[in-house]
Parts: sequence; C-alpha cells; structure tokens
Amino acid sequence: QSALTQPPSASGSPGQSVTISCTGTSSDVGGYDYVSWYQQHPGKAPKLIIYEVSKRPSGVPDRFSGSKSGNTASLTVSGLQAEDEDDYYCSSYAGSNNLVFGGGTKLTVL
Amino acid sequence: QLQLQESGSGLVKPSQTLSLNCAVSGGSISSGGYSWSWIRQPPGKGLEWIGYMYHSGSTHYNPSLKSRVTISVDRSKNQFSLKLTSVTAADTAVYYCARTGDFWTGYCFDYWGQGTLVTVSS
Repeated sequence: QSALTQPPSASGSPGQSVTISCTGTSSDVGGYDYVSWYQQHPGKAPKLIIYEVSKRPSGVPDRFSGSKSGNTASLTVSGLQAEDEDDYYCSSYAGSNNLVFGGGTKLTVL
Repeated sequence: QLQLQESGSGLVKPSQTLSLNCAVSGGSISSGGYSWSWIRQPPGKGLEWIGYMYHSGSTHYNPSLKSRVTISVDRSKNQFSLKLTSVTAADTAVYYCARTGDFWTGYCFDYWGQGTLVTVSS
C-alpha cells in the first residue's frame, strides 16, 4: 500500500480559510468513508480532529471541517488562527484490515 | 479518561529486536469495538501505521513490515506490546501506541500515547 498524497505545505493569513487535500485511490480514500485527520504540534502526539470524513470529536472547533470527493479528501480550516500552525495528517482505511497515512502538510499562518 | 503510556528500550543495536509496551489506563484493552495500534514517526518525517491488535487478540500488520512485526497482549496488565526484529537505522523513530476504531467506530486513532523515541545505533 502506498502513502496518501498531501501537499507538503499550505498557508493562509489569520481569518482566512485554507484547504488541505489528501489524495488516494479507489482502494482507500475513494472506497471507504473512513478518512480521518490529525493535528500534530512539534514534539507532541497527533490529535484526532476529523473522523469518518466529516465528523468532529467533542471539543474540536467547528472551524475544522472535512469532505471527500472521489479519491480525494479535504480538510478545511476556516477563520485561521495563529494556533492552527501545525502539521496535519490524513489517514484512511485501505481494505483488508490495513490503514494508511498521508505524508503530512505543514500549515503556516502568515 | 483513557490514557496510554509507552515504555521500553530507547536504544537498540542494529540487527537486534526492538521491544515496547503500551500500558492502558482508564479503560479495558478487552473492550469491544476497538483495536490497539502501533504507529511510528522517523525524525522529521511522517506517520507510518505499523499494525494493530483487535480486542479479540487477532492481529493485522502493515504489509511492508509484516515479516518483522509481532503485536501481543497481556490482559492481566492491561497492556499490549510491539516487537520488531532485525532492526536497522531506518527503524529509528518515535513510536506511538494508539486506540483504533473498527468498522463500527470509524477506523480512526482517537487516543494516543505521548510517544517514545527509539534509536537504532551500535
């Protein structure tokens, strides 16, 4: 199984919206509604922010939203804040009890 | 509140076996609906799923690591373990344990340990 494809970097100004893509295949992202997103601050463990494509765990601000179209999932961060500057990873179920991550995207708040 | 804590050797010699434990508190490792994963992150790089053990004890591994990985459980201690054989420098990484959802609970990693750095070096 191959890693999902994410852009290495993304950026936006405070208050703006930014969207991070996560591209896979029909065997993973496109085949299941089991895409999740994680936020990781340097030196810390990742934190789940979106699961099952678009659901938010309790406590995650509604500024974070997820969607999927075909083999590409997307994470949108609205109303960017300085504290959103982190690394973001997508993950997907890939069939046959396998899970796969994306390569990660570094989000910079300008 | 569920908590996970990794422990084990932080330095392993090349060709030897990496061994880590993950102690789970605030919940039972035998609870249905979840599995228990190991995930690693080489310095400065992305996340890689290593494998998971379902609550029933069945295991599933990343095909790229399958020949070298064993995940097992000690229910009496409410912990699960990772063994990775024949390690090389490429196995140097922060290793995380995480609770993992299944078909009913979303196949996501919702609780994570803090991570432990394992360095492979002679």
